[in-house]
Amino acid sequence: KQEVTQIPAALSVPEGENLVLNCSFTDSAIYNLQWFRQDPGKGLTSLLLIQSSQREQTSGRLNASLDKSSGRSTLYIAASQPGDSATYLCAANSNSGYALNFGKGTSLLVTP
Amino acid sequence: DTGVSQDPRHKITKRGQNVTFRCDPISEHNRLYWYRQTLGQGPEFLTYFQNEAQLEKSRLLSDRFSAERPKGSFSTLEIQRTEQGDSAMYLCASSPSDNTGELFFGEGSRLTVL
Repeated sequence: KQEVTQIPAALSVPEGENLVLNCSFTDSAIYNLQWFRQDPGKGLTSLLLIQSSQREQTSGRLNASLDKSSGRSTLYIAASQPGDSATYLCAANSNSGYALNFGKGTSLLVTP
Repeated sequence: DTGVSQDPRHKITKRGQNVTFRCDPISEHNRLYWYRQTLGQGPEFLTYFQNEAQLEKSRLLSDRFSAERPKGSFSTLEIQRTEQGDSAMYLCASSPSDNTGELFFGEGSRLTVL
């Protein structure tokens, strides 16, 4: 089973800062990795999907990278805004199963 | 908007009762997943359907849990003889058949067992 770990568990930054969220996974035979955002009491919103053959994906102020050999992914958020406050979840699956396995998330607070 | 739809959004029940949740995936998505999420944790995989076939079940899916997708469209998740430990958010996701594996989630069904 693909085990996913996210560091830090919580992060507080002032508005405007650039920040990096970290995700590690145990099985390098990864099929894809997906980053999600979750607001309190809500479902998950897909942010970025990185296929195993890709090294990074970008969407607006977000950039996600994938390093299969080290079992790591990072989500970079540029010029953070209070509206970015949410929990960010990393999820990965492997070639051996259908399940997308999640980390516990990083709770981000961006203060004005 | 034709995103993933879940019903009901909230359910409060007494211990021992049966509950059923429904998920309508994005149209033409042939892959459907159920997850469970408790407070402060990431979602945990429960089961996966490809069309009407249930291809994978987690060990978390005890005998009291059953999921169906009879016509390869909507899906139901039933919990029999609910226990307080079943209190959680039940999330449904769907994925297209393009092999990207990208999941799209619904807003979830929150279950509270008293």
